[in-house]
Amino acid sequence: DMKVTQMPRYLIKRMGENVLLECGQDMSHETMYWYRQDPGLGLQLIYISYDVDSNSEGDIPKGYRVSRKKREHFSLILDSAKTNQTSVYFCASSPSTGHSAETLYFGSGTRLTVL
Amino acid sequence: GQQVKQSSPSLTVQEGGILILNCDYENDMFDYFAWYKKYPDNSPTLLISVRSNVDKREDGRFTVFLNKSGKHFSLHITASQPEDTAVYLCAAGENQGGSAKLIFGEGTKLTVSS
Repeated sequence: DMKVTQMPRYLIKRMGENVLLECGQDMSHETMYWYRQDPGLGLQLIYISYDVDSNSEGDIPKGYRVSRKKREHFSLILDSAKTNQTSVYFCASSPSTGHSAETLYFGSGTRLTVL
Repeated sequence: GQQVKQSSPSLTVQEGGILILNCDYENDMFDYFAWYKKYPDNSPTLLISVRSNVDKREDGRFTVFLNKSGKHFSLHITASQPEDTAVYLCAAGENQGGSAKLIFGEGTKLTVSS
C-alpha cells in the first residue's frame, strides 16, 4: 500500500523551541517535498529534496532546514520556532520516473501551533 | 508575487450543473499542469494533469484545458455531484529530469448543493 506518513499529526510548541517534523514514504520515491498551507495562500513550497543529501530551497525556506539521510525519510526542522510558523505542514513524494513522474503523493499533514 | 493564481476563492453550483475552475500562471517554462482535490482535514490528491504537448485531457466528468499562449488552464466538471464539494488546487511546474517543482494556487472552495 503506497503511503506517505507524517508524524506527529498535531503539535503545540512555544516560541523559541526547536521543532522536528518527520516524514516517511514506502514507495522508494526519489523526490520529496515539504509544503505549508495557510488560509488564502494555498500550498507554499518550503524545500524540495531530489535524493539523499540533495536538497534545494523552495519559495519560503527562511526559518526552516531539512535533512534527508535515507531515501525514505525527509525531516523538516524549525530551529527556534516563531508564531508565524503556525501552519499545517504537508510532506509529499513523487516517483520522478514513468508516466506519472510528477504526481505528488501527500501525507496527512501536521498541524503545528507555535504559542 | 504569486506565480500561480486562482481567480475565485469560492464557487457554488447546483447538483448536475457544469462548472469551470480557472488558473493563471506566469512562468513560460512551466510544462506540467495539474488539479488537486482536497477534502477538509485530508491531504490533497491528484485529480487530473496534463503536459504542455497537449491542450486538453479528459477523464470521465473532468477535463483540463490548457491555453499556453494565454498562460491559463482550467478544469471543467460536468454533472456535478455533492461529493465534488472540496477545495480544488491548481498546480504548475517545470519538469526537471523527472520531478517537477510544483507551485500551487490559493485554492477554490467548491460547494455542490443538492
